[in-house]
Amino acid sequence: EAQVTQNPRYLITVTGKKLTVTCSQNMNHEYMSWYRQDPGLGLRQIYYSMNVEVTDKGDVPEGYKVSRKEKRNFPLILESPSPNQTSLYFCASTYGGEQYFGPGTRLTVT
Amino acid sequence: KQEVTQIPAALSVPEGENLVLNCSFTDSAIYNLQWFRQDPGKGLTSLLLIQSSQREQTSGRLNASLDKSSGRSTLYIAASQPGDSATYLCAPWNRDDKIIFGKGTRLHILP
Repeated sequence: EAQVTQNPRYLITVTGKKLTVTCSQNMNHEYMSWYRQDPGLGLRQIYYSMNVEVTDKGDVPEGYKVSRKEKRNFPLILESPSPNQTSLYFCASTYGGEQYFGPGTRLTVT
Repeated sequence: KQEVTQIPAALSVPEGENLVLNCSFTDSAIYNLQWFRQDPGKGLTSLLLIQSSQREQTSGRLNASLDKSSGRSTLYIAASQPGDSATYLCAPWNRDDKIIFGKGTRLHILP
């Protein structure tokens, strides 16, 4: 089954404790993205990658890092999380402009 | 920079009515445009993908149109049902660039 998986689905952490949210797709798509979704602000792209070892900033990249060492995986790294990064995060992969979304990760930073 | 606007921001209509949701974008050099629905606290479900060379796409009671030159797309929902209640999002794509979403239209179908 074609899918995008994210882990963990829920995470509560404390300020400053490094964390990684994993994203994996099994469709061999080249383009992958990370988004955050906040009430009143909608979905905003954090980073995107058009292929292995190619990453670019989206609209809100500050405080985040990504890597793309292999086509299927696109982890999101928060080196020093802060409360303003509390949000719902989505990973997506894209083929031919059609986006396929993961189920989301709800992150709370206290 | 691409800007995407969805009007109205919220809409309540009685069951059975036909309705139109609007999406406008400032950069018309798009490759395609995708419509999604999102239920509260849930992920995004793709509804329709319309390529820049197409004028319309249909799926069941849903019809999406695209007027690239004027930077507009509409999502038409026929014979609305309570199960259609959700937030509807549009996302035009410029192919080699970041993807910008509209803030969505929150739709409530009254039984």
